[in-house]
Amino acid sequence: AQSVSQHNHHVILSEAASLELGCNYSYGGTVNLFWYVQYPGQHLQLLLKYFSGDPLVKGIKGFEAEFIKSKFSFNLRKPSVQWSDTAEYFCAVNAAGRRALTFGSGTRLQVQP
Amino acid sequence: EAGVAQSPRYKIIEKRQSVAFWCNPISGHATLYWYQQILGQGPKLLIQFQNNGVVDDSQLPKDRFSAERLKGVDSTLKIQPAKLEDSAVYLCASSFEYREAYEQYFGPGTRLTVT
Repeated sequence: AQSVSQHNHHVILSEAASLELGCNYSYGGTVNLFWYVQYPGQHLQLLLKYFSGDPLVKGIKGFEAEFIKSKFSFNLRKPSVQWSDTAEYFCAVNAAGRRALTFGSGTRLQVQP
Repeated sequence: EAGVAQSPRYKIIEKRQSVAFWCNPISGHATLYWYQQILGQGPKLLIQFQNNGVVDDSQLPKDRFSAERLKGVDSTLKIQPAKLEDSAVYLCASSFEYREAYEQYFGPGTRLTVT
């Protein structure tokens, strides 16, 4: 069975600080990887996704993530966070050919102005 | 395009009562998912439909949960009878069958409180 681990449950940063959120998954086969974001009072929305090819993927709002296959990791990064990035971030995976997602427990990011 | 619609947005019931949630996916999306998100956890898949057929219900507690997707469009998730541990947000998502990696679009969720 697949599983996803997000190491940081709650992160507090000041504006302009750099962000890196960890995500590791366990699955032996080919996977698709996702980061979803949930802003306060809003529904889950896709931030970025990786299927194949360049392991560095860029998403919306200046976010990027790097897939490191040897480490089973898909960490999310942003060079300079803004107050509007305050949200909960979920890493998710599905096995290639399977559509349902397995989510991590989420990381709550709080950006202080 | 219109997003995934869910109703009600909030529901409070007593244990042992029954409750039903409704979901209307994005038009043209063949695949529909129901997830349960307990506070402090990520969403967990309950059931996945492809058109009106069940693809995966391995994590659905079938003794109390049921779901249907008549005519391959709207879907209803029911809990009968509810337990305290069913308190959670119930999320509906849909995806277009042939789009790359089956990107899922989520609705706003129904927050259920069982007292």
